[in-house]
Amino acid sequence: DQQVKQNSPSLSVQEGRISILNCDYTNSMFDYFLWYKKYPAEGPTFLISISSIKDKNEDGRFTVFLNKSAKHLSLHIVPSQPGDSAVYFCAASAHNQGGKLIFGQGTELSVKP
Amino acid sequence: SQTIHQWPATLVQPVGSPLSLECTVEGTSNPNLYWYRQAAGRGLQLLFYSVGIGQISSEVPQNLSASRPQDRQFILSSKKLLLSDSGFYLCAWKRVANNSPLHFGNGTRLTVT
Repeated sequence: DQQVKQNSPSLSVQEGRISILNCDYTNSMFDYFLWYKKYPAEGPTFLISISSIKDKNEDGRFTVFLNKSAKHLSLHIVPSQPGDSAVYFCAASAHNQGGKLIFGQGTELSVKP
Repeated sequence: SQTIHQWPATLVQPVGSPLSLECTVEGTSNPNLYWYRQAAGRGLQLLFYSVGIGQISSEVPQNLSASRPQDRQFILSSKKLLLSDSGFYLCAWKRVANNSPLHFGNGTRLTVT
């Protein structure tokens, strides 16, 4: 049962343009959502998060949008840079669940110069 | 600042041999601790988590086990490795407070031959 889904395994974007990564979830108990960035042979690095009481959170070039009714969140990166090329994971958690995160399968972003 | 150490970085073990991966966290106390595995080309799967010394929750039945002998030490073990145990193992910690992110170590690449 895949509670968090990233349906696009890969995405290619031109440098300077916007990258939009999408994520869907099925568990309505999830109330905290995160995005991580991962390079090969390294651990994931936390990027940005959003709680279910908000619908948008922005941090520099990164913005996360949450649509609770659609059970959908997205990560916008603008402008995209070649150094953003990595695998991006969305994750979700429910309070009182030991803080465990349920991850999606990841989307590999390639930003071309 | 907090840091997480995970070792070894890579490990090649024969089928049937034992396993011990260690993870320690510095700069914080009473963290929640987690073991995740990333199989080739797949997402991050939660294996174990711990909210305190000696308290281990298992998410996936398998031939692996985890222990937390000290507050900031988390160990992943197996008595007899299987080929299917190959993968990228990640340790992570988070503050107890709700809505705080997980912070990952750099992972251990385990190859069972």
